[in-house]
Amino acid sequence: AQSVTQPDIHITVSEGASLELRCNYSYGATPYLFWYVQSPGQGLQLLLKYFSGDTLVQGIKGFEAEFKRSQSSFNLRKPSVHWSDAAEYFCAVATDSGGGADGLTFGKGTHLIIQP
Amino acid sequence: GAVVSQHPSWVICKSGTSVKIECRSLDFQATTMFWYRQFPKQSLMLMATSNEGSKATYEQGVEKDKFLINHASLTLSTLTVTSAHPEDSSFYICSTRPLTAYGYTFGSGTRLTVV
Repeated sequence: AQSVTQPDIHITVSEGASLELRCNYSYGATPYLFWYVQSPGQGLQLLLKYFSGDTLVQGIKGFEAEFKRSQSSFNLRKPSVHWSDAAEYFCAVATDSGGGADGLTFGKGTHLIIQP
Repeated sequence: GAVVSQHPSWVICKSGTSVKIECRSLDFQATTMFWYRQFPKQSLMLMATSNEGSKATYEQGVEKDKFLINHASLTLSTLTVTSAHPEDSSFYICSTRPLTAYGYTFGSGTRLTVV
């Protein structure tokens, strides 16, 4: 079975500084890869996804992620964070068992705190 | 894009009662719906996969007799929490299987509180 590791439970970044959130997955092949953001008490918003092709993926709100097969990683980056980026970030993976994409396996999440 | 409507957004129920949560795909046919649970300050965990016209597939450790899933039509999947207990208090959220470019479409979630 696949698994997802987000090694950082909390990250504090100053407003305007750059951000990188780490995500590693374990799976025998290349899964589908996603980053979601969740504000307190809210649902999930998709930031970006990787299915195939170009390994550098651009998402919404200025986020990007790079798939590195050799490192089984899909780290999320943003060059300059805004106070509104404070939220919980989840990396997720999905596989395809033959009948279409399976349900998502989520990492434990990284809580992003923005310092003024 | 694909839209999933989930109701209710929040519900408070008494211990021992049952609660039904609905997820509707508004502008497409969802043959497969996934149900997740998120406890406070935790990640989302896949509970089950519902397929239109067939029995749901439950993840290990999820009680199928307690969490009844019905997917009787191509646009509606329901999750019924039976004989709810306080430990069932959680955030429940549904999603569809990806459609080509859109990825998974999530409902807005249901916050269940059992008192």
